[in-house]
Amino acid sequence: AQSVTQLDSHVSVSEGTPVLLRCNYSSSYSPSLFWYVQHPNKGLQLLLKYTSAATLVKGINGFEAEFKKSETSFHLTKPSAHMSDAAEYFCVVSVGWNGGYNKLIFGAGTRLAVHP
Amino acid sequence: NAGVMQNPRHLVRRRGQEARLRCSPMKGHSHVYWYRQLPEEGLKFMVYLQKENIIDESGMPKERFSAEFPKEGPSILRIQQVVRGDSAAYFCASSPGEVEPYEQYFGPGTRLTVT
Repeated sequence: AQSVTQLDSHVSVSEGTPVLLRCNYSSSYSPSLFWYVQHPNKGLQLLLKYTSAATLVKGINGFEAEFKKSETSFHLTKPSAHMSDAAEYFCVVSVGWNGGYNKLIFGAGTRLAVHP
Repeated sequence: NAGVMQNPRHLVRRRGQEARLRCSPMKGHSHVYWYRQLPEEGLKFMVYLQKENIIDESGMPKERFSAEFPKEGPSILRIQQVVRGDSAAYFCASSPGEVEPYEQYFGPGTRLTVT
């Protein structure tokens, strides 16, 4: 069965320092993986997605993630945090079905705080 | 191209009342998904619908919850006889369904509070 584990419920960084949000997945198939961001009281925005092409995926706002099959990891990174990055981040694995349907399995989320 | 629309954005119901949540998918999208987010948790899949069909409702509670996506109009998530435990944010997502990896686009959510 597919599942996602986000290893940190809270991460706190200083503005301008690197961000690392960790995610491990479990999947019986070659997975599709996503990172979504949720700002307070807002909907979800797709940051980036991995779909079995390049293992290093670049997303919006300077974020990127690397798919490592041997470690079953898909960690999210950013070289330099900005105050506006403070939000909840979700690592997501897709359960694929035939006919264009995929069910998303969400991790519990990591709350990122950015301090001046 | 407008995104996924959900209304109302906030809904307050007393215990025992009914809650109706609406979702209009993006233009051209025929696949709709509903997710529930309890406080301090990630989103949990509830149901997947195509026009006039429920494809997968494995995440729906067995009682009081129902969903539909009629030929015309928005998708509706209906909760009968609400209880305090139904208080949550309910998100709708849509996808075109024909392009891998079937990326889902999320609406802003409806925050249901049961008093």
